[in-house]
Amino acid sequence: DIVMTQSPDSLAVSLGERATINCKSSQSILSSSNNKNYLAWFQQKPGQPPKLLIYWASTRESGVPDRFSGSGSGTDFTLTISSLQPEDVAVYYCHHYYSAPLTFGGGTKVEIK
Amino acid sequence: EVQLVESGGGLVQPGGSLRLSCSASGFTFSNYWMTWVRQAPGKGLEWVANIKQDGSEKYYVDSVNGRFTISRDNAKNSLYLQMSSLRAEDTAVYYCVGGSGWISDHWGQGTLVTVSS
Repeated sequence: DIVMTQSPDSLAVSLGERATINCKSSQSILSSSNNKNYLAWFQQKPGQPPKLLIYWASTRESGVPDRFSGSGSGTDFTLTISSLQPEDVAVYYCHHYYSAPLTFGGGTKVEIK
Repeated sequence: EVQLVESGGGLVQPGGSLRLSCSASGFTFSNYWMTWVRQAPGKGLEWVANIKQDGSEKYYVDSVNGRFTISRDNAKNSLYLQMSSLRAEDTAVYYCVGGSGWISDHWGQGTLVTVSS
């Protein structure tokens, strides 16, 4: 099984500042057949289901603000919130969909400093 | 508007069985891979199982393989999860998820399953 490891577990960032979340997979999730990374990022607010933010490691889902961006390839990935807003307080999960079983990272809680 | 509505959750004793249902609307259900994801209280997300558009392929996480069965009825736009030999560690909110391929685009609000005596 592919293990997804996120860091940090939590972070506190001032409004308007940058937040960076890292995710590492235990093996490459880059497909040689289509040169795509099978990596997604989700945002989950309390009492709500997760919301898809990013897929294919860097493609923003429709309607997601452009302050959210994803980067990385192979085994190392990053979610960046360029200018943290109050509504961004949430837990963020990385997730691979490369092969079964699909797995999620442990989550990163983002708070306002 | 895409809607996924789960039902069937509740309190069940260890060793018992439960069947979850998910009713889909607002998209062409038969074109989507469908998935169950769960979240134990205060914990992270765990992928449980998924099923191909025509039901010909199914995959499970090891911890439920042999105890849970995922199925679908495209004529009824419905997804199911038959759960048996339930354990305390199966206690979670179970989400119904629809996806373009294996990308989890759309999520239901979830249904809570509690396994306790």
